[in-house]
Amino acid sequence: NAGVTQTPKFQVLKTGQSMTLQCAQDMNHNSMYWYRQDPGMGLRLIYYSASEGTTDKGEVPNGYNVSRLNKREFSLRLESAAPSQTSVYFCAVGGGPVTEAFFGQGTRLTVV
Amino acid sequence: AQSVTQPDIHITVSEGASLELRCNYSYGATPYLFWYVQSPGQGLQLLLKYFSGDTLVQGIKGFEAEFKRSQSSFNLRKPSVHWSDAAEYFCAVGAYGGATNKLIFGTGTLLAVQP
Repeated sequence: NAGVTQTPKFQVLKTGQSMTLQCAQDMNHNSMYWYRQDPGMGLRLIYYSASEGTTDKGEVPNGYNVSRLNKREFSLRLESAAPSQTSVYFCAVGGGPVTEAFFGQGTRLTVV
Repeated sequence: AQSVTQPDIHITVSEGASLELRCNYSYGATPYLFWYVQSPGQGLQLLLKYFSGDTLVQGIKGFEAEFKRSQSSFNLRKPSVHWSDAAEYFCAVGAYGGATNKLIFGTGTLLAVQP
């Protein structure tokens, strides 16, 4: 079992370019999340999906879109990347009542 | 609104010394509380969790945490720190209900261990 798989692991974009970060799980959890991690700011929730077919905004959704393609996959899209989106992005699954969240290894994104 | 505060940004302890990392939360209902650890360049690993019952919870790697409702706190402790404990530690609160299913993190505490 891979758990939570994020691709790519590293990416450099130019300002204005677009890209999609992929997240896939084999843990059969309903809930999936996208966080960004910046120094001194902890992990901030971008979007989450409580179940297949639903998505909701978190703390910092501006500049991002998400798609819950099916129960396994939850993608994060940057339509027009900005330097302020330089960050480490984490996908997580689970985290509902009675269970903890499980994290992917992260995607380090640099926007120049 | 739900929130988590970790007052200490950076802590340095000597190897073998005891450790306490502070966490305060704001949540209207019974909280689901977690501590995670992140080693450099890695994802987050769960140390322990509190859902209900005994307010002192044991976790992996010799860590424990105590839930104090009156103080809205969930502090992490370890009696004797090892050099391998150097990492960043995150406290989190789960906010659940209806269609809401969110995990909210504090800003983290970076732990350095001196030999």
